[in-house]
Amino acid sequence: GQQLNQSPQSMFIQEGEDVSMNCTSSSIFNTWLWYKQDPGEGPVLLIALYKAGELTSNGRLTAQFGITRKDSFLNISASIPSDVGIYFCAISQGNLIFGKGTKLSVKP
Amino acid sequence: GAGVSQTPSNKVTEKGKYVELRCDPISGHTALYWYRQSLGQGPEFLIYFQGTGAADDSGLPNDRFFAVRPEGSVSTLKIQRTERGDSAVYLCASSFWGSSYNEQFFGPGTRLTVL
Repeated sequence: GQQLNQSPQSMFIQEGEDVSMNCTSSSIFNTWLWYKQDPGEGPVLLIALYKAGELTSNGRLTAQFGITRKDSFLNISASIPSDVGIYFCAISQGNLIFGKGTKLSVKP
Repeated sequence: GAGVSQTPSNKVTEKGKYVELRCDPISGHTALYWYRQSLGQGPEFLIYFQGTGAADDSGLPNDRFFAVRPEGSVSTLKIQRTERGDSAVYLCASSFWGSSYNEQFFGPGTRLTVL
């Protein structure tokens, strides 16, 4: 089946720093999604991307749909403690296919 | 409004037993999905319902797993003869089919532990 390669696997950063993570695939997709999952909760949609090259922001979060349609990037600016959690990229084929996640830990 | 709810939140069972996991989708959502999330992994698709019928069950790992949605709302995931490898968080999501890209809203999951 389809596989999404997400990196880094984990990050441990200082509060106030910017964060970048990315997701790549060997296949072309028409929609890229970024989710965040807090402990004991289901994933929550952060940003959805529909067009190659599209750059979309949601507060301190910015995501881009790669021009090749095989990758996507998520940036978090000026991280705060509540940014802690696991971030997943996903593509939609009716059902969702998720990457393995990037675990973000922030020092207060 | 109410989100997707799942019961129980935790289920501990013994190997070989039968379990049922329940999902209450958001009212009016026509599509319902089940995913399984193992430790350190992203959710993996199991089955998808459009109304009462299973539109895609290609993610079910074997015939011990079965799901129903008899009235097009609540769904039950049933696992027979549970095995230790079935231990995971089982997530349910619902969506309103026909929205721009079919955004799925997830419940908090049921954590299943098979001893």
